[in-house]
Parts: sequence; C-alpha cells; structure tokens
Amino acid sequence: EPEVTQTPSHQVTQMGQEVILRCVPISNHLYFYWYRQILGQKVEFLVSFYNNEISEKSEIFDDQFSVERPDGSNFTLKIRSTKLEDSAMYFCASLLRSGRAYEQYFGPGTRLTVT
Amino acid sequence: AQSVTQLGSHVSVSEGALVLLRCNYSSSVPPYLFWYVQYPNQGLQLLLKYTTGATLVKGINGFEAEFKKSETSFHLTKPSAHMSDAAEYFCAVSPNYGGSQGNLIFGKGTKLSVKP
Repeated sequence: EPEVTQTPSHQVTQMGQEVILRCVPISNHLYFYWYRQILGQKVEFLVSFYNNEISEKSEIFDDQFSVERPDGSNFTLKIRSTKLEDSAMYFCASLLRSGRAYEQYFGPGTRLTVT
Repeated sequence: AQSVTQLGSHVSVSEGALVLLRCNYSSSVPPYLFWYVQYPNQGLQLLLKYTTGATLVKGINGFEAEFKKSETSFHLTKPSAHMSDAAEYFCAVSPNYGGSQGNLIFGKGTKLSVKP
C-alpha cells in the first residue's frame, strides 16, 4: 500500500540554525500539507501546497518557514532560523482529491528538537 | 472560525467494554468530519470520515461514528474494546465550502487506555 514517508525521524538542532524536513508524498497525489504537534498539544495546520504554490497557510507559518517541491517527488519544509518553540512533531500529508471525499494520508512525522 | 472539542483527554475502559469518545464541533455549516488514530511513534491513520449521506459511518477496526447535526457532534464508538485499540484518537473537521482543499482542524486528542 502506498504511503507517505518522512525523513529524518528525529532531528536535533541548535537555536538559530536552519533545518529542512523532507517528505515524499504518495506519487499520484496532488495536494500536500504540513502540520505540527507540539508535545501535549493538538495537531495544527501549517500550510497547504497545490500546483507548485502555497494555497493556504496558517498564522503559525510566518516568514521563517518555507515549502518547496524541488523535484516532483519530495516536498520539503524549511525553517530558516529555529527557535526553541519550534520543537514539535512535524507531519506531512498528501491528498488525492476524489470528488468531495477528502482523505489525507499522513506520514510518520519528524520530531524536531531545538536546543 | 471552526473548532473541535474532544471531551476527556484520557479515557480508560476494560477489555470488552464499550468505547465512547466524544467530539463536538462548532461551525456555521456542517463540515466534513474525521476520526484519526495515532499509535505510539506512528503517524495519523484515518479511522473513518463523514462527508455526505448516511450519518452513521463505519470505519476500520470495528469503529463507527454518528454525525448528529442538531447536537453538532460526531462521537466515536466501538461495542467491544480490544487491547490493540489503545492509542490516541483525534477528531478533525475540514471546511465544507467550494474551494476548500481539505485543511484539517484537529481536536486535542483523547488517549484511550484498555485494561485487561
């Protein structure tokens, strides 16, 4: 069964450093998402991406965040200068929009720890 | 703005007992509704969804949920809990209007424990 994959599973970085979280969505999916889950809190939407551009973003997704689909298979989330409060589990999801039945497939997540 | 409330951050049941996890949403228009399950160190797996049609929806692993518009609820149930059901369960909604691309709004989650 096709699945969304994410690398790395755990990333530790120092405050102020840049990180890139990588995702490989399901190959025929058209919509891509990043969500994050701070420990003990709910999953929050960050950004959605379609047709090589951002289609929607939340207020969390400020100028230090960016997304890219560099080669038609990978979907990356870059955090330019990490802060302590960026420590969270980051989930990638992809969607094959079939009629009105939205079904997002989630990856296993990348746990980002900022020290 | 839409929001999701899950009552009870932690629910504990005995094996074989009924599982009831509560979810209420606030929205001016009935949204699409979802339940996801997260096992330790894994991603989110879709259990079931309601988009249109029959308000009682069946999902994987014997779970089902009923959409009640009058109560703005979408509670998740399973008649008989199994040890393997121990996980965290998230209720989520997605806006129901033209142009939506499925951004999910999640509740805080309910951790289900199953006692032998």
